[in-house]
Amino acid sequence: AQRVTQPEKLLSVFKGAPVELKCNYSYSGSPELFWYVQYSRQRLQLLLRHISRESIKGFTADLNKGETSFHLKKPFAQEEDSAMYYCALLINKFYFGSGTKLNVKP
Amino acid sequence: GAVVSQHPSWVICKSGTSVKIECRSLDFQATTMFWYRQFPKQSLMLMATSNEGSKATYEQGVEKDKFLINHASLTLSTLTVTSAHPEDSSFYICSASVRTSGSYEQYFGPGTRLTVT
Repeated sequence: AQRVTQPEKLLSVFKGAPVELKCNYSYSGSPELFWYVQYSRQRLQLLLRHISRESIKGFTADLNKGETSFHLKKPFAQEEDSAMYYCALLINKFYFGSGTKLNVKP
Repeated sequence: GAVVSQHPSWVICKSGTSVKIECRSLDFQATTMFWYRQFPKQSLMLMATSNEGSKATYEQGVEKDKFLINHASLTLSTLTVTSAHPEDSSFYICSASVRTSGSYEQYFGPGTRLTVT
């Protein structure tokens, strides 16, 4: 069974528009959740994790245990945010979602 | 910051030959390294977990005799694709894990593109 679901393969928004990348997980315990980003021709890198409650590059993600979601949000998208975004769940090992490609248009 | 390197970055080999991919943590020690496979426009699929000094733990469906993993030191893990076939062509990514204040941090290598002809 898929542990992490990212329903959108591609998300296109205009520069300055709000963006939300959806992530739902399947786990009954206390999850450790992460968002990773992969810019074009670059390696995967950590964007943020829920445990630190931080905001990186204007992105935030709130864990909603009731909805088992960890959506990634940014109020004003920038062109440089265009990348692949992966949601990941850590339970002894990492489970990655299928990824969402964010395309921010000028 | 922590850096993970992979070598080679790309390799083309003939069917039936073996290919070794190295994963190194350059400025930190990693007791655990992970090997992933990524198909075009798809997510990362965990192949195996490599612990220094012990046998790797393979995910279901991954042939351990075909994908040999060695983690001889705290900074080096290798993946050998034995008797490679065209269907093994893929992007292989390693990551090194470090425990930080109650959680894990993963640092990814740049990946190795394997093409089997």
